[in-house]
Amino acid sequence: GNSVTQMEGPVTLSEEAFLTINCTYTATGYPSLFWYVQYPGEGLQLLLKATKADDKGSNKGFEATYRKETTSFHLEKGSVQVSDSAVYFCALMRGGSEKLVFGKGTKLTVNP
Amino acid sequence: EAGVAQSPRYKIIEKRQSVAFWCNPISGHATLYWYQQILGQGPKLLIQFQNNGVVDDSQLPKDRFSAERLKGVDSTLKIQPAKLEDSAVYLCASSYAPGELFFGEGSRLTVL
Repeated sequence: GNSVTQMEGPVTLSEEAFLTINCTYTATGYPSLFWYVQYPGEGLQLLLKATKADDKGSNKGFEATYRKETTSFHLEKGSVQVSDSAVYFCALMRGGSEKLVFGKGTKLTVNP
Repeated sequence: EAGVAQSPRYKIIEKRQSVAFWCNPISGHATLYWYQQILGQGPKLLIQFQNNGVVDDSQLPKDRFSAERLKGVDSTLKIQPAKLEDSAVYLCASSYAPGELFFGEGSRLTVL
């Protein structure tokens, strides 16, 4: 079946550190891939997406590249800020469906 | 633009009691979703509506959960009777484009 595996958290970084949150997926066909973020006290919101292999999604300094050969969609940011502290969810949507399948989430804490 | 509205934000009930959650999606969004998020896990789709028709309810425990979307706008999710394992946050989301969901803040249910 379709599934997403994220790296275990929590992740704690100092401000301006480099961030990588790993995400790998299992899916039939050619899924679209997403990163959602949940800031404290708020609902989930879309951070970025990629719909085909080698696409790079980017937003707010975050990037992720759809790697079909390694079935991965790792989230990266070159210099994190305290305001990036949140829970990050990787998700996939199988082609022909509008159903999102989420990973378990990775909690990020950035200290000043 | 108003976001997805959910109520109540918090609910505590005893097992075997019933509970109902309400959702008002973003105006014009044809697709509405209910997700269940258990602590430490990613959101799991319970039911998806397109206008007022059900697209996917394959993971909805139909012996105790029910949902309806009135006139293709507001939606209600009901649990009757509740079990301890139903303790979770119930997330409503709406979308106008596949995979690009707008989530409400959620309704946190505690079953004692």
